[in-house]
Amino acid sequence: DQQVKQNSPSLSVQEGRISILNCDYTNSMFDYFLWYKKYPAEGPTFLISISSIKDKNEDGRFTVFLNKSAKHLSLHIVPSQPGDSAVYFCAAISSGSARQLTFGSGTQLTVLP
Amino acid sequence: DAGITQSPRYKITETGRQVTLMCHQTWSHSYMFWYRQDLGHGLRLIYYSAAADITDKGEVPDGYVVSRSKTENFPLTLESATRSQTSVYFCAGSAAFTGELFFGEGSRLTVL
Repeated sequence: DQQVKQNSPSLSVQEGRISILNCDYTNSMFDYFLWYKKYPAEGPTFLISISSIKDKNEDGRFTVFLNKSAKHLSLHIVPSQPGDSAVYFCAAISSGSARQLTFGSGTQLTVLP
Repeated sequence: DAGITQSPRYKITETGRQVTLMCHQTWSHSYMFWYRQDLGHGLRLIYYSAAADITDKGEVPDGYVVSRSKTENFPLTLESATRSQTSVYFCAGSAAFTGELFFGEGSRLTVL
């Protein structure tokens, strides 16, 4: 049973438009959320994070929104650029002693020029 | 600054063989992790280590063994490889467990 779900395996957007990547979670003990970006033949790289005490965190073109009541977070990329084409993984950490980073299955974003 | 280095990058082996994937860090991260990436599953934690000589199981540890005699090295061994262990394996490090991990480039393992 996946605790972190990314229900869209792929997403295509036009250059300059907004990309919205979604992530749902089931474990109410998750208290910190992250997004990673992965290019082919490379390891994932950390992109942006948000604590459960916040509902928004912004870093340049990237904004993460957290809706705790819906157990949903999203990553907005504005404006999208061709270099943003990659697989994006949502991840979460649970509070308590057994802290592990749990990843979603990823969404392949393609930004079309 | 290489950060996390994994070797080999590509490996083909046969069922039943022992395989060791190496992970070396040039930093002094306390935490090190092994993940496997499979289509439809994302990244799943195999084992992690909080410090030298301290290791713990992750979500999918069966069939794998790790050791951490030195802070900079964290090898992953498949004692008797199975086809289900065909995957891309990523090693990662972190100075503190914040969730912000630094990953290596991955090792693609094929078990025939």
